[in-house]
Amino acid sequence: DADVTQTPRNRITKTGKRIMLECSQTKGHDRMYWYRQDPGLGLRLIYYSFDVKDINKGEISDGYSVSRQAQAKFSLSLESAIPNQTALYFCATTKQGTDTQYFGPGTRLTVL
Amino acid sequence: GQQLNQSPQSMFIQEGEDVSMNCTSSSIFNTWLWYKQDPGEGPVLLIALYKAGELTSNGRLTAQFGITRKDSFLNISASIPSDVGIYFCAGRGGSNYKLTFGKGTLLTVNP
Repeated sequence: DADVTQTPRNRITKTGKRIMLECSQTKGHDRMYWYRQDPGLGLRLIYYSFDVKDINKGEISDGYSVSRQAQAKFSLSLESAIPNQTALYFCATTKQGTDTQYFGPGTRLTVL
Repeated sequence: GQQLNQSPQSMFIQEGEDVSMNCTSSSIFNTWLWYKQDPGEGPVLLIALYKAGELTSNGRLTAQFGITRKDSFLNISASIPSDVGIYFCAGRGGSNYKLTFGKGTLLTVNP
């Protein structure tokens, strides 16, 4: 079984809709991250959390919010989706004191 | 903020050829990581580097942590078709645990 899972894997939605992407991990890591990937732009950090209820903005947090209610789960919300939020979204985890981040399989989001 | 310049952006090579890609930073990094992303999947760690000058291998892959701590190189020897994918460098500078990612190198291997 995968250590980091994301749901859904694919989602098509319309402008203005609220969307939630879920991430779960069984690695026991305390730190979790949400990234966005666009062609030619690499991975850009949206939000990160070092522990339950700890929330920190990344470089592109506008238009997004997150929730960390449990160590194993980190959810990303788009309150009112817009077309330029069409992208691949990745969740990642790491253990405090280490640098290696372990990624989920990604969610492909399309906003029409 | 910290920025990484990864090059080349893409490479088209023949099976059996060696490949080299690199990343340079505008500031000093304490850790360099190299990831590979297969189509439809998340990035997977290939090699982690923690000391300036460190040279580490993982099968046909070799990566080096530059002496200046502002660059890193990844070499792939005798490429095979399954090497196809996007390769990302990532670095950590300072005392926080956020990584900065390069924009990726898209590798295509022709059989």
